[in-house]
Amino acid sequence: GAVVSQHPSWVICKSGTSVKIECRSLDFQATTMFWYRQFPKQSLMLMATSNEGSKATYEQGVEKDKFLINHASLTLSTLTVTSAHPEDSSFYICSASGLTDTQYFGPGTRLTVL
Amino acid sequence: GEDVEQSLFLSVREGDSSVINCTYTDSSSTYLYWYKQEPGAGLQLLTYIFSNMDMKQDQRLTVLLNKKDKHLSLRIADTQTGDSAIYFCAESSSNQAGTALIFGKGTTLSVSS
Repeated sequence: GAVVSQHPSWVICKSGTSVKIECRSLDFQATTMFWYRQFPKQSLMLMATSNEGSKATYEQGVEKDKFLINHASLTLSTLTVTSAHPEDSSFYICSASGLTDTQYFGPGTRLTVL
Repeated sequence: GEDVEQSLFLSVREGDSSVINCTYTDSSSTYLYWYKQEPGAGLQLLTYIFSNMDMKQDQRLTVLLNKKDKHLSLRIADTQTGDSAIYFCAESSSNQAGTALIFGKGTTLSVSS
């Protein structure tokens, strides 16, 4: 149980384009979903927290207009990187929690912006 | 602010025990977690401990918590080459939207045969 998937696993895009990453909880209802960013050999940095049906709460320094988060249902959250640039290249990982605070992580999405 | 510190690297031989240490700062954390990350993959929840517990054992894994010193450790008995990965310690931290995790930088465990 408690499986979280992400799609796509890998994405390569041109600078200036937008990329959407999906995060799904497959076997439980996720009242809260989290988006993290991980640079090579570094820790995970929380970008934003989203609750189903409400606006995401962004961490300090994260541009909400750049990283659009939508949590439209209890099993799906999306992160859209708008007008992506090479410095946005990173590993993006989502996690989901349900009735307890335990977070279950997706496998991550590797974004490369050329 | 909250901060989680870990040693960055640990090397052990197959069959030995591994001990990964972590210190945290938020005394109000309800749970403390250990996650495992293999190369190019997401995080796998290994185990967690409730803040009012001192120890938790789960098969080869033993978690020790010293709440007074804010020190958490993960012991892996009979370490195998498949245990080679990065191990992250994390503390829970409540924000206005929910309970997020604050991660350490991760300890790279290298197991040699």
